[in-house]
Amino acid sequence: KQEVTQIPAALSVPEGENLVLNCSFTDSAIYNLQWFRQDPGKGLTSLLLIQSSQREQTSGRLNASLDKSSGRSTLYIAASQPGDSATYLCAVLNTGGFKTIFGAGTRLFVKA
Amino acid sequence: NAGVMQNPRHLVRRRGQEARLRCSPMKGHSHVYWYRQLPEEGLKFMVYLQKENIIDESGMPKERFSAEFPKEGPSILRIQQVVRGDSAAYFCASSPLGPNSGANVLTFGAGSRLTVL
Repeated sequence: KQEVTQIPAALSVPEGENLVLNCSFTDSAIYNLQWFRQDPGKGLTSLLLIQSSQREQTSGRLNASLDKSSGRSTLYIAASQPGDSATYLCAVLNTGGFKTIFGAGTRLFVKA
Repeated sequence: NAGVMQNPRHLVRRRGQEARLRCSPMKGHSHVYWYRQLPEEGLKFMVYLQKENIIDESGMPKERFSAEFPKEGPSILRIQQVVRGDSAAYFCASSPLGPNSGANVLTFGAGSRLTVL
């Protein structure tokens, strides 16, 4: 059974700092891994999707990596801004399955 | 393209009443997923539907919950005889491809927040 864990559960950093969010999963047989952002009381916004054959994806100040063999992904946020404050969710789609499994998220607060 | 539309955004029901949540997927998307998020918890998969068919409902409670995605119209998640434990945010997502595709990106709606008094 696939389990997704995100560390840390919460993180507070000063503006301008580079930071890394971690995600681990127990079953390496995945189609893809997706990082989402969720603002309080809002829906989810897809940030990056990494297919199983890929090692990383980049979008602006965000870079996500995937190491399938070790069951790990990281989301790197460069030069953090107060507007980055949100909960970041990692989710994996297993091969042969229909459901995307979510981690509990990392709650990020960037102080101005 | 208006994205994934969910309504109502907020719904209040008394115990024993019925709740009906609607989801219109993005244009061109025929795959719909429902997730539930309890307060301070992650998203839990409920059901995956493709037009007129339930493909995977392994995350749905066996009783009181049902889902449909008719040929015409939105997908509907129906909760009968609601209880306080049903209070949660219910999110719908859609995708253009089936889940067995590495490039399959889920697009989420803003969610429907159900409060049971």
